[in-house]
Order: sequence, then C-alpha cells, then structure tokens
Amino acid sequence: KNEVEQSPQNLTAQEGEFITINCSYSVGISALHWLQQHPGGGIVSLFMLSSGKKKHGRLIATINIQEKHSSLHITASHPRDSAVYICAVSFGNEKLTFGTGTRLTIIP
Amino acid sequence: GAVVSQHPSRVICKSGTSVKIECRSLDFQATTMFWYRQFPKQSLMLMATSNEGSKATYEQGVEKDKFLINHASLTLSTLTVTSAHPEDSSFYICSARDFTQETQYFGPGTRLLVL
Repeated sequence: KNEVEQSPQNLTAQEGEFITINCSYSVGISALHWLQQHPGGGIVSLFMLSSGKKKHGRLIATINIQEKHSSLHITASHPRDSAVYICAVSFGNEKLTFGTGTRLTIIP
Repeated sequence: GAVVSQHPSRVICKSGTSVKIECRSLDFQATTMFWYRQFPKQSLMLMATSNEGSKATYEQGVEKDKFLINHASLTLSTLTVTSAHPEDSSFYICSARDFTQETQYFGPGTRLLVL
C-alpha cells in the first residue's frame, strides 16, 4: 500500500517569503499531482508530473523519482496563496492516493 | 482550461431521503470520472471510479447500493446517495480524466448535510 506523507502539516509565513512544501511516497508511481484546495472546498489541479520540474507563474514543482520525493515551491508568496496544498500520487490505473495536505497561511 | 462542474453545490436534506449529485465535464469528454468524499480536516478518499457505459468500480468499504453511480454520457456522471443518514454528511468531489492532456480536473464539490 502506498503512503503519501506531506510536511509540514501547517505553515505560516509572511508575504513575500519563499515557500516549500514536501511530499514523500513509499512505492513507485506513474505520476504525482499537486492540488490546491481553497477554504470553500474547491480543488484546483496545479501540476501533474512524472519526472523533473515544472513551472507555472510563481509555482514550481519538482520530483525525484529515485528518492520518491517531490517539492512544491511558491516564490514571492501572497495572501491569496493561502490554501491547503495536497500531494497525490497515481499508478497506471489513474486512481489517486492523497496526502493529508499542508495548510498554508500567508500573512500580509 | 478544462472545467468540471458539480450540481448542486450545497444540499441539506432530511434523513431517509435520496440526493443526486451531478458531475459534468464542460469542454472535454471524460470516459472516466472519479467520486471522492472528504470529511472535515481529513484527506480526500476515493469512493468509486465511474466508467462511461459500464458499471462503476467501488472502493473497499463503499456500499454500491447506497451510493449509486451512473455515467450515461461522456460528459456526465451522477452520484445518488440513497436513504441518506447524518453520517453521510460530507463534502463530495468529482474529478474527470482528460485523456488528451493526461490529467484530472476536479469539480468544485458538493457539501451535503443530512439532518
């Protein structure tokens, strides 16, 4: 059974700080997803990656397949980035296994 | 980008009634949709995989007779919570797989409260 662990569980930072959220998983995967869940509950898919690195705006996601580890970075953080960030992994059958999430709060 | 909608966004019902939740992919065809449930302060849990034109595949512990799933078209899947009870109160989220982009798009969720 694959387990997905995220750290930290909670993160509070000042506006402008560089943010890193980590995700580790226990068995081989076909893809890793980073999701953002806002207080209202809606989920936005930020990245899906199986190797290397992806960048979208101020967000950067990296994955190291050998180490079974991924990181999500936010540069120049802003209060609107406050949300729960969820790491999820999938296998060939597309079913996702989710981490417990990281609650990020950016203080103005 | 691709959009997945859910309806209703919020529903309150009496115990014993049935509730239908719709999940639609608005600008792509989804042969596979997924239904998740999320209790407060917990992670999403996959309930079932909905396949267009065939029976849904349920995860262990999910009662298929209680949570009826119908995926009648390439853009619509429905989840019906039959004879809902207060313990069914939760946040239900669907996602749809876009094979052309090899990614999943999530709906905004439906918050169900059973009194």
